[in-house]
Amino acid sequence: EAQVTQNPRYLITVTGKKLTVTCSQNMNHEYMSWYRQDPGLGLRQIYYSMNVEVTDKGDVPEGYKVSRKEKRNFPLILESPSPNQTSLYFCASTLAGTHHEQFFGPGTRLTVL
Amino acid sequence: RKEVEQDPGPFNVPEGATVAFNCTYSNSASQSFFWYRQDCRKEPKLLMSVYSSGNEDGRFTAQLNRASQYISLLIRDSKLSDSATYLCVVTSNTGFQKLVFGTGTRLLVSP
Repeated sequence: EAQVTQNPRYLITVTGKKLTVTCSQNMNHEYMSWYRQDPGLGLRQIYYSMNVEVTDKGDVPEGYKVSRKEKRNFPLILESPSPNQTSLYFCASTLAGTHHEQFFGPGTRLTVL
Repeated sequence: RKEVEQDPGPFNVPEGATVAFNCTYSNSASQSFFWYRQDCRKEPKLLMSVYSSGNEDGRFTAQLNRASQYISLLIRDSKLSDSATYLCVVTSNTGFQKLVFGTGTRLLVSP
């Protein structure tokens, strides 16, 4: 089954404790993104990657890091989480950019205390 | 001004009603337009792309008006299962390979 998976689905953590949210897709898509969704603000892009070892900042990259060592995986790293990073996070992949359907993972609900 | 603006709703309609949503966008150079559906706190899923000539998929019709910079979604014969938030999505003017999502319009269909 074609899908995007994220782990963990739910996470409660404390300020400053490094964490990684994994994202994996099995569709051989080149393009992957991370978004956060907050009430009243919609989905905002954090980082995106157009292929292995090619990543770039989205609209709200501060406090986040990503890597793309393999085509299928695109982890999101919070080196020192803060309460303002409490949000619902979605990973997405697409065949080749914005003209194509974005496939989203199920989401990760993160709470930073 | 937001790049993509939608009426947040909620739109409360009875089953069988016809309902329409509009979405305005600020980037006149946008090339791609979509409607996504999002159920409560779940991932967005593509409902339909929006083409210049307008397009229909069953009970759903999407229209694009480039001159006025808005897209619309019409749902005919609403079903209870249509209750969801509908996200308007357009390509961004701030960089390559970026999409801008509207905050969504919530639809509630009641029996």
